[in-house]
Amino acid sequence: DVVLTQTPLSAPVTLGQPASISCRSSQSLVHSDGNTYLSWLLQRPGQPPRLLIYKISNRFSGVPDRFSGSGAGTDFTLDISRVEAEDVGVYYCTQATQFPQSWTFGQGTRVEIK
Amino acid sequence: QVQVVQSGAEVKKPGASVKVSCKTSGYTFTHYYIQWVRQAPGQGLEWMGRIHPDSGDTKYAQKFQGRVTMTRDTSIRTAYMELSGLRSDDTAVYYCARDREAFDVWGQGTMVTVSS
Repeated sequence: DVVLTQTPLSAPVTLGQPASISCRSSQSLVHSDGNTYLSWLLQRPGQPPRLLIYKISNRFSGVPDRFSGSGAGTDFTLDISRVEAEDVGVYYCTQATQFPQSWTFGQGTRVEIK
Repeated sequence: QVQVVQSGAEVKKPGASVKVSCKTSGYTFTHYYIQWVRQAPGQGLEWMGRIHPDSGDTKYAQKFQGRVTMTRDTSIRTAYMELSGLRSDDTAVYYCARDREAFDVWGQGTMVTVSS
């Protein structure tokens, strides 16, 4: 089974400063159809998760452009160019190499303001 | 406007079953998978399985095989997740989400508490 490992698990950040979260996979996430179904979710306290980035680097509708995704193969990154107060929460990477058969999640990275 | 609305909180005794509903609107229900994910208190997200509303085809995570059943009623655009043989460690928030190559629209979550 594919295991996603996120680092760091906790990220205290200063408002207005950048933040970066890594998601490393135990095996290549390239699907047999050529796509890589790696996405990023944000879960604010007390809320359901919401989609930020899909297929590595595509921003979902309404997501601010300070969020960006990158990577390939087994190594992926979510970058926030300038952290705002509303960005606080837990970030999860998720993948489906066997899309649509199954999905797995990283452990989550908690972003908080210093 | 795409919406996914789940049924309300449940309290169940160990050994019982729970059935959570996931009512959709604003898009063609039969076009996209519905995924089910749960989150135990203070924990991360755990994939449970999925259903294709058109065919009814299901795939369950191995951990839940034999205990979970996912169904749908296309006439009312609603998906269901039933979990049987409840244990205390099934206490969690259960989410459904539309799968359009990513979990793009989520329900609000249904808290299921298992307690004697």
